[in-house]
Amino acid sequence: DSGVTQTPKHLITATGQRVTLRCSPRSGDLSVYWYQQSLDQGLQFLIQYYNGEERAKGNILERFSAQQFPDLHSELNLSSLELGDSALYFCASRDGHRGYGYTFGSGTRLTVV
Amino acid sequence: AQSVTQPDIHITVSEGASLELRCNYSYGATPYLFWYVQSPGQGLQLLLKYFSGDTLVQGIKGFEAEFKRSQSSFNLRKPSVHWSDAAEYFCAVGLLSNDYKLSFGAGTTVTVRA
Repeated sequence: DSGVTQTPKHLITATGQRVTLRCSPRSGDLSVYWYQQSLDQGLQFLIQYYNGEERAKGNILERFSAQQFPDLHSELNLSSLELGDSALYFCASRDGHRGYGYTFGSGTRLTVV
Repeated sequence: AQSVTQPDIHITVSEGASLELRCNYSYGATPYLFWYVQSPGQGLQLLLKYFSGDTLVQGIKGFEAEFKRSQSSFNLRKPSVHWSDAAEYFCAVGLLSNDYKLSFGAGTTVTVRA
């Protein structure tokens, strides 16, 4: 157990639907990162939050949004889902004192049918 | 353009043989360099990292990597692979200016044959 918890582990949904992926960071880590791993795009950075505030944005679609709550857990919301959104979504947390000391969760596998 | 390249998509190696995975980067400055491993159904586990100093870095599970500035490379090696080393390996780079976000290579899948 890495200390980063992602739920659910698997999600199957239909096109056009909306889903929410949840991430609980390692205890004490203030930064949360979301990455998408797909067959055609590889591992891509989506968005980062630090202590509740958005810090950096990557290749995140407008249909996707995220937030980090006061208890530091984060949610990634994916709406108007398309077949191409099928991917493994990783959350990682980082302790600000450890530089690049990332801890990755085991991911949520999203399948859009 | 900034990029991370892993030239080998798939490598097959015999158990007990040596392994070398290639990684090249293209950035304006020397970035922070990482190797991660992803076993089937698992998340990403950090094998090793290079920030500065000794260019030969030791990691977990018997892996090591060598940073070569002149070649913009950070190749991963293991002298003798075990069947449990079958996995996907990712090279990643990070720049301090980017809030510690990582850019990953496309990954190399390693198959270990008995």
